[in-house]
Amino acid sequence: AQRVTQPEKLLSVFKGAPVELKCNYSYSGSPELFWYVQYSRQRLQLLLRHISRESIKGFTADLNKGETSFHLKKPFAQEEDSAMYYCALSEETSYDKVIFGPGTSLSVIP
Amino acid sequence: EPEVTQTPSHQVTQMGQEVILRCVPISNHLYFYWYRQILGQKVEFLVSFYNNEISEKSEIFDDQFSVERPDGSNFTLKIRSTKLEDSAMYFCASIGGLGTDTQYFGPGTRLTVL
Repeated sequence: AQRVTQPEKLLSVFKGAPVELKCNYSYSGSPELFWYVQYSRQRLQLLLRHISRESIKGFTADLNKGETSFHLKKPFAQEEDSAMYYCALSEETSYDKVIFGPGTSLSVIP
Repeated sequence: EPEVTQTPSHQVTQMGQEVILRCVPISNHLYFYWYRQILGQKVEFLVSFYNNEISEKSEIFDDQFSVERPDGSNFTLKIRSTKLEDSAMYFCASIGGLGTDTQYFGPGTRLTVL
């Protein structure tokens, strides 16, 4: 069965430090991988998806099919990055249901 | 930028009562979804809806749940007889046809069953 894991429930880093939020997935096909972010009291927002290869708000994520990972990285954390981050996958197309990981709460310490 | 909206933002109900959660998807979108998030747990898929019928549903979406698109704009989730364990945040999402390829989420409705 398809599954997304995020090993860290909570992650605290100092402002200016590098951030890496880990994500691993299990799915036998060719999924689409996403990172969603939820800032305090706001809705879930798409941060980035693997096929677009964009860098949003300084975040990047590389899909490693060999390790089935899609870790989210940012070289220098900002206070406004504090939020809940969900790694997610969609089975074959964007129209399929999204399967979410449990989320990592990132706290950036000033 | 167009947004998915949901009403109410918070619903409190007694166990055994029926509730209807409402969503207005983005106007030109064709696919609609409901997800839920029990406090402290992950976001879980409930159901997807396309062309006026359910396209997929999860194990959670049992006979107590139903969805409807009663008109051209609303998409509703009905829970027939609520249980305590239905207390959760319910998110609606939609995605369009050609040219749009990500699911847009609503702000959620917090359902509290007493």
